[in-house]
Amino acid sequence: GAVVSQHPSWVICKSGTSVKIECRSLDFQATTMFWYRQFPKQSLMLMATSNEGSKATYEQGVEKDKFLINHASLTLSTLTVTSAHPEDSSFYICSARDGQGHTDTQYFGPGTRLTVL
Amino acid sequence: GENVEQHPSTLSVQEGDSAVIKCTYSDSASNYFPWYKQELGKRPQLIIDIRSNVGEKKDQRIAVTLNKTAKHFSLHITETQPEDSAVYFCAASTKIIFGKGTRLHILP
Repeated sequence: GAVVSQHPSWVICKSGTSVKIECRSLDFQATTMFWYRQFPKQSLMLMATSNEGSKATYEQGVEKDKFLINHASLTLSTLTVTSAHPEDSSFYICSARDGQGHTDTQYFGPGTRLTVL
Repeated sequence: GENVEQHPSTLSVQEGDSAVIKCTYSDSASNYFPWYKQELGKRPQLIIDIRSNVGEKKDQRIAVTLNKTAKHFSLHITETQPEDSAVYFCAASTKIIFGKGTRLHILP
């Protein structure tokens, strides 16, 4: 099946710093990628939809100036958590949809665990 | 937008018995309904999906049923095994909106 990678797998940072997370589709072109956040023992909450070459679409309640998303190529989307605070500590997961196939299947990355001290 | 409700939040079944998890959705335009299994600290893994032109789909011990009129779909796991213990999420639509998840415990 299709492979999606994320980097880094975990990161610890100080409050006030910015953290960039990369999401890559390794063997297919992803015109659309999605960013989710998951707090312990909770479901995945969709943060935004990232479309290659255009601005991301954010879900209600998600601050677009705090969570910057860039989808500059068909295989890479990045999420930057700006001025991170302890409440931003979470498990961030991306997913990618195969733009070439006729399927709605989304392939998930392994996730990035962010801890803000 | 789409809203997905899932229940139960926790389910315990004896090994070998069946487990059923149910979800409802709000957007009648949704036409794709995947189920994911997530183990602790890992990514969600797609286990089965169904599209709106199909009422039921089966893959070995796992089956999913869809009632578009009532806007609900269910996951059925038969002959449960210890390795089935995990959190299961239903989802709907092409912009996958997840239910809150069901923690399944398989009791020995």
